[in-house]
Amino acid sequence: DTGVSQDPRHKITKRGQNVTFRCDPISEHNRLYWYRQTLGQGPEFLTYFQNEAQLEKSRLLSDRFSAERPKGSFSTLEIQRTEQGDSAMYLCASKREANTGELFFGEGSRLTVL
Amino acid sequence: AQKITQTQPGMFVQEKEAVTLDCTYDTSDPSYGLFWYKQPSSGEMIFLIYQGSYDQQNATEGRYSLNFQKARKSANLVISASQLGDSAMYFCAMREQNSNTGKLIFGQGTTLQVKP
Repeated sequence: DTGVSQDPRHKITKRGQNVTFRCDPISEHNRLYWYRQTLGQGPEFLTYFQNEAQLEKSRLLSDRFSAERPKGSFSTLEIQRTEQGDSAMYLCASKREANTGELFFGEGSRLTVL
Repeated sequence: AQKITQTQPGMFVQEKEAVTLDCTYDTSDPSYGLFWYKQPSSGEMIFLIYQGSYDQQNATEGRYSLNFQKARKSANLVISASQLGDSAMYFCAMREQNSNTGKLIFGQGTTLQVKP
């Protein structure tokens, strides 16, 4: 399968714990995006990378959130000291160029914070 | 600021009938792209159709067509001959070209249920 893959698909954690999600984009895509989606809402942009450079971060990305793409391939999204409000689906997407084509999404990582 | 509005939280349609899902947008960028995605219960976002702001004709992809009315800033999705498998959440999204980020801004979504 050469689509965008995300791991884990589901994560249940207790409040205060740290969690990390991984995204493997389509191999020739140099742009990678993270979105958050709460129940019944549309995806909200969090951050994006061009190769290894993180070029934009949303105000939604608090200090407890950090994203990396160290070698310009896979990316990780870490949430420290999780809160119940962090419960959401975290979607990763990738594309080759900025202004052509659609975003290709993974199946998401669903986080539940107890 | 760019914004996408989908005013229909939920829609029902009879199998084999056509249905229109509404989307309006707001942007000051003269160059933009409009997208529709489908999200079944499995969670994956599936791309359906794209319309560029300078495209002269409405986009079509199989049973999907986009009713693009630029002056009204609307980009409604029309699904013809609905199938049970069309039951899902549908999102309208916009990309502003001048920002060069490639990111999409999404609406709140419309849940479509196809009745047999």
